[in-house]
Order: sequence, then C-alpha cells, then structure tokens
Amino acid sequence: QVTLRESGPALVKPTQTLTLTCTFSGFSLSTSGMCVSWIRQPPGKALEWLALIDWDDDKYYSTSLKTRLTISKDTSKNQVVLTMTNMDPVDTATYYCARTGEVGATYFDYWGQGTLVTVSS
Amino acid sequence: DIQMTQSPSTLSASVGDRVTITCRASQSISSWLAWYQQKPGKAPKLLIYKASSLESGVPSRFSGSGSGTEFTLTISSLQPDDFATYYCQQYNSYSLTFGGGTKVEIK
Repeated sequence: QVTLRESGPALVKPTQTLTLTCTFSGFSLSTSGMCVSWIRQPPGKALEWLALIDWDDDKYYSTSLKTRLTISKDTSKNQVVLTMTNMDPVDTATYYCARTGEVGATYFDYWGQGTLVTVSS
Repeated sequence: DIQMTQSPSTLSASVGDRVTITCRASQSISSWLAWYQQKPGKAPKLLIYKASSLESGVPSRFSGSGSGTEFTLTISSLQPDDFATYYCQQYNSYSLTFGGGTKVEIK
C-alpha cells in the first residue's frame, strides 16, 4: 500500500526558508522509474508543480521558481525534502507530495493529503 | 513552458448528463496527458493517464481522448459523486504543467 505524508511548519514569516518533508511507504525511491514531486495549490486556485526527484537522483524544477527551490532525498529514510527560500505571502498554499510510478511517464498516481503553509508576519 | 488551457472553467450539469471538458496545450504533447479529480479539502485523484488510459478502480463512465494539442475528458452519465474540480496535466517534458481547472457544479 503506497502512502505519502507531508510535514512541516504551518506558519512561516516572510523572507524565511520553508522546509517540507515527504515521508512515504509502499515503494522505494531507489527503484527504477520512481519519482517524487512537490506540487502546491494556493487557496481557491489551480495546482502548480514545483519540483521532482527521481530514482537516479536527477532533479527538475519549475522554471519560474527554480532559483528558490532545492529538492533532495534520503532513500534509507524514505523521505524527500523540499526547501523554498525567501518565502512571501503569495506562497501561501497547500503543499502536496506525489509519486510517479512509471518510467518516463511523470503523472501522479499517489498523493499525500497535503499540508497548508501560511506565510505571514 | 507548455501552457495548458481548460474550458469551460465552470460547468453546471444535472445527474445523468453527459459532460465534456476540454484541455488544450500550447504545443504538441503527443498523448502525454493526465486527468485528475479533486474534491474540496482533498488531494487530487488520478483518473486518466496517457490521454485515454483509465486508472485502475476509476469508473468506466470516465473516458479521455485526444492527442497533439487537444484533449477531452468525458463523463458519460454524471453521478452525484462526480461533482468536483477536474484538472489536466501534461508530462511531455520535465517542466510539468497543469490546466486551470474545471469545476463541475450541480445545475
């Protein structure tokens, strides 16, 4: 059974760095084809993909946010970490992690429940 | 980046109606398109991948079609559980993008 769970602060101040952790089970990020992405959704708005890390430790980032994002993995702990620097109120959103389970096909078959991050002083 | 445009943004329909949602890509994405359903306060759920492949466990009233730049999601007979927001997502490249969403409301 595949599960993913996001964790991190519910509130961050402007200019701070956000660190989110995705803890997963039911698959291994060392298996060929497996990837984990971060996706966010501001309240009442559409989904926005942020970053992806694959089984081979290749990393991909949103063009518009790449200077602020870092994604990493700890295969032994079954965790993927996202850091986002210089947080702003417009970054207030529910942040999801999601799995890609098919080689060369980056759609998301399993999602975490999401964690709401509010950026406010 | 490839832009994904969904239409309509809101759709009002009744139980039993046939519903069609369109997603257009700003450039060809072959068949690298997925559809998701999202209900308020919940994570998105995968419905369709590779434009027309039905995810396991998804009711057969959902179907997808299209290739290149134009795609459709069809619900053959709308059920009460189907009132939700639907998103398309392209995965032709590693700069993944979603459409703006289509909210299916009760008429």
